[in-house]
Amino acid sequence: QVQLQESGPGLVKPSETLSLTCTVSGFSISGGFYWGWIRQPPGKGLEWIGNIYHSGSANYSPSLRSRATISVDKSKNQFSLTLNSVTAADTALYYCARVGIGYYYIDVWGKGTTVTVSS
Amino acid sequence: EIVLTQSPGSLSLSPGERAILSCRASETVNSNSLAWYQQSPGQAPRLLIFAASSRAAGIPDRFSGSGSGTDFTLTISRLEPEDFAFYFCQQYGGSGLTFGGGTKVEIK
Repeated sequence: QVQLQESGPGLVKPSETLSLTCTVSGFSISGGFYWGWIRQPPGKGLEWIGNIYHSGSANYSPSLRSRATISVDKSKNQFSLTLNSVTAADTALYYCARVGIGYYYIDVWGKGTTVTVSS
Repeated sequence: EIVLTQSPGSLSLSPGERAILSCRASETVNSNSLAWYQQSPGQAPRLLIFAASSRAAGIPDRFSGSGSGTDFTLTISRLEPEDFAFYFCQQYGGSGLTFGGGTKVEIK
């Protein structure tokens, strides 16, 4: 069974960098899927942050491209998100996910991790 | 960026009734990239439909998707107690993935 688990600090100070890691179990990250990050601010809808392929090729939401970086560590079967210069608007529930190639559906989601940006 | 608008925002129905949820796109969507999800409180979303009309593995056949172009529909033929939840659509286009604002299906 494929499982994704997010990990990282739950509290980040404004202007600092948010860093999250997603550990994939039950499936090789080098398999034929993208790996992505999605977030959901409190009381708001879902926002896609970006995807990465095991080759390291990534694409990002235009609104977050300047601040977000997604990377992959095949040796640990993990992928990570860094988001720099965070503000309160980055407070959200962050999900990692497996994204189908070609159809771009999300068939496996992590449980999500809450990140609060506050001093 | 393609904007997905879902309607209605909420739907009050009784178990056994049919639910029809709409997802309208601001421009033409590739049907292969239109998906529907269900989310219950405190849970991660669950994939129901992909490629506009294909049911994901393990999804009961009371869930069906249809549509093309800019108008897509999710139909739940007979609501079961576990179907009262939040539903949203998603597409992939030139600017990446975007999500609709969602429809809440509530028990009447």
